[in-house]
Amino acid sequence: GQNIDQPTEMTATEGAIVQINCTYQTSGFNGLFWYQQHAGEAPTFLSYNVLDGLEEKGRFSSFLSRSKGYSYLLLKELQMKDSASYLCAVSSGNKLTFGGGTRVLVKP
Amino acid sequence: NAGVTQTPKFRVLKTGQSMTLLCAQDMNHEYMYWYRQDPGMGLRLIHYSVGEGTTAKGEVPDGYNVSRLKKQNFLLGLESAAPSQTSVYFCASSPLGRREGNEQFFGPGTRLTVL
Repeated sequence: GQNIDQPTEMTATEGAIVQINCTYQTSGFNGLFWYQQHAGEAPTFLSYNVLDGLEEKGRFSSFLSRSKGYSYLLLKELQMKDSASYLCAVSSGNKLTFGGGTRVLVKP
Repeated sequence: NAGVTQTPKFRVLKTGQSMTLLCAQDMNHEYMYWYRQDPGMGLRLIHYSVGEGTTAKGEVPDGYNVSRLKKQNFLLGLESAAPSQTSVYFCASSPLGRREGNEQFFGPGTRLTVL
């Protein structure tokens, strides 16, 4: 079976840092994706981790530990436009299995 | 390139009615997917296709059928709509064998309400 857990909601202040955790137990693992989804819009790709360690892309970083079944997405220097849902997804075979998403609210 | 497009954007059905949702992609992708998204439940895979003429069941296939007669199109059918099928439906496509893994590109979604 597939089980992917992430917090439902987080609140942070503009300019701060927020870390969104994702834990997974899945049968099969090719890699882990993070997607961003603004309200009423389609998910868009943020990052992909296939090996253990940190991948950095500007203000966003994603970390993976395959032995612990754990990933996090780090958002630095938060901006109001970062208010969105962040979806963790495990890739296995041809498919992605998504967690429930974490809604991040950035306050001024 | 238009990417992934979905038709229609919104639809209201009565219980028992049928409809077809159309997904089209112009990126020559092999894989295509249909998801539904409900509050608090994330994206759940309904059906998917690994190439023209192929389809396979996902996590929540009951009440839906699909067809992939052309590589660029993936149709999702509801034969007899039920209120439990009220949801936002997303189509996605993915290329084959990229370094970035099977990143999926999503369409804008179809909001379906079944009364």
